[in-house]
Amino acid sequence: RKEVEQDPGPFNVPEGATVAFNCTYSNSASQSFFWYRQDCRKEPKLLMSVYSSGNEDGRFTAQLNRASQYISLLIRDSKLSDSATYLCVVNIANTGNQFYFGTGTSLTVIP
Amino acid sequence: NAGVTQTPKFQVLKTGQSMTLQCAQDMNHEYMSWYRQDPGMGLRLIHYSVGAGITDQGEVPNGYNVSRSTTEDFPLRLLSAAPSQTSVYFCASSKAVRSGNTIYFGEGSWLTVV
Repeated sequence: RKEVEQDPGPFNVPEGATVAFNCTYSNSASQSFFWYRQDCRKEPKLLMSVYSSGNEDGRFTAQLNRASQYISLLIRDSKLSDSATYLCVVNIANTGNQFYFGTGTSLTVIP
Repeated sequence: NAGVTQTPKFQVLKTGQSMTLQCAQDMNHEYMSWYRQDPGMGLRLIHYSVGAGITDQGEVPNGYNVSRSTTEDFPLRLLSAAPSQTSVYFCASSKAVRSGNTIYFGEGSWLTVV
């Protein structure tokens, strides 16, 4: 079983739409959680960390449910520039600071 | 603001050739790692290091060697290239084991083995 699983999509949404991505992780010892964004032929870049209480950064909201071991990302008022692949990332400190990546969810925002 | 620097960006190799992908970071990060990314497979860990002089295998280490003689550098060596090693390679670094640290990536190296 993979450490981190995501729906690969693709999600094709119109501009202005709200879209949500979910991710599940299997290791209950997971300590840190992130969403990364990866543009085509580019490296992954940190979008936001995910905290237990939930956190928001502009149009982006991240939630963590430790009991159910899932993480979510909500994007409101989608922009064309939001088109990218979104990676769910989990850090498990007791595995030597290993980071585990989902395969990514592809988002295309359509004009 | 160099961050994580990888070279070369593009490389074509013939089967059986060897080469080294270079990686350097200037953030004094203890943790460095190499990933390969293939369509539909996501990022897979090849090797990692938690500090100078310490390396360990990841999920897909076969055919690759690494060394960590300094905190800054973490080269990845392909010993005898095979077509199955055609991929995009990312070097990454992070601070030491500590909850909440993020991981930073180099721009990637596109390798084709023919």
